Amino acid sequence: DTGVSQDPRHKITKRGQNVTFRCDPISEHNRLYWYRQTLGQGPEFLTYFQNEAQLEKSRLLSDRFSAERPKGSFSTLEIQRTEQGDSAMYLCASSILAGVGTDTQYFGPGTRLTVL
Amino acid sequence: QKEVEQDPGPLSVPEGAIVSLNCTYSNSAFQYFMWYRQYSRKGPELLMYTYSSGNKEDGRFTAQVDKSSKYISLFIRDSQPSDSATYLCAMETGRRALTFGSGTRLQVQP
Repeated sequence: DTGVSQDPRHKITKRGQNVTFRCDPISEHNRLYWYRQTLGQGPEFLTYFQNEAQLEKSRLLSDRFSAERPKGSFSTLEIQRTEQGDSAMYLCASSILAGVGTDTQYFGPGTRLTVL
Repeated sequence: QKEVEQDPGPLSVPEGAIVSLNCTYSNSAFQYFMWYRQYSRKGPELLMYTYSSGNKEDGRFTAQVDKSSKYISLFIRDSQPSDSATYLCAMETGRRALTFGSGTRLQVQP
């Protein structure tokens, strides 16, 4: 399977715990995005990387959230001191930026987080 | 007010019907317009991508963009039960993050 993969697919945690999610993009894709999706809503942008550089962060990304892409390949998203409001599907997408215009984003299956 | 508005549905149609899905937006800087399909508990899958105004056809799917009205549409011809999913419109200003609508849930009855 050469698509975007995410791990774990499901995570249940207690309020106050830290969680970390991993995303493996499509090989050779230089852009990687994180989105959050709550029930009945569309995905909301959190942050994106071009190679290893984090180029933009949404105001949704509070200080408790941190994302890394250390070698320009896989990425991790960590949430510290989780709150019940963090319960959502966390989606990763990757794309390849080539020339002018937009880059087509391909989404992974998501990690569903439930904070008890 | 959200930048992208989309009727959440659900929209229920009989098999074989023509389906019309729509979004309106307020940000005139949007240049690229996409439609994604999302099955329950799965990630979004890109269906159609359109740059600026005009029509684009791909099989049973037609995407329309009217930038003067800030209105985009997706038409599905000869709808099938397998088309039952949530359809998300998305748009962006160019090489940046996507702004999504809230999604329209479609049910095609056999």
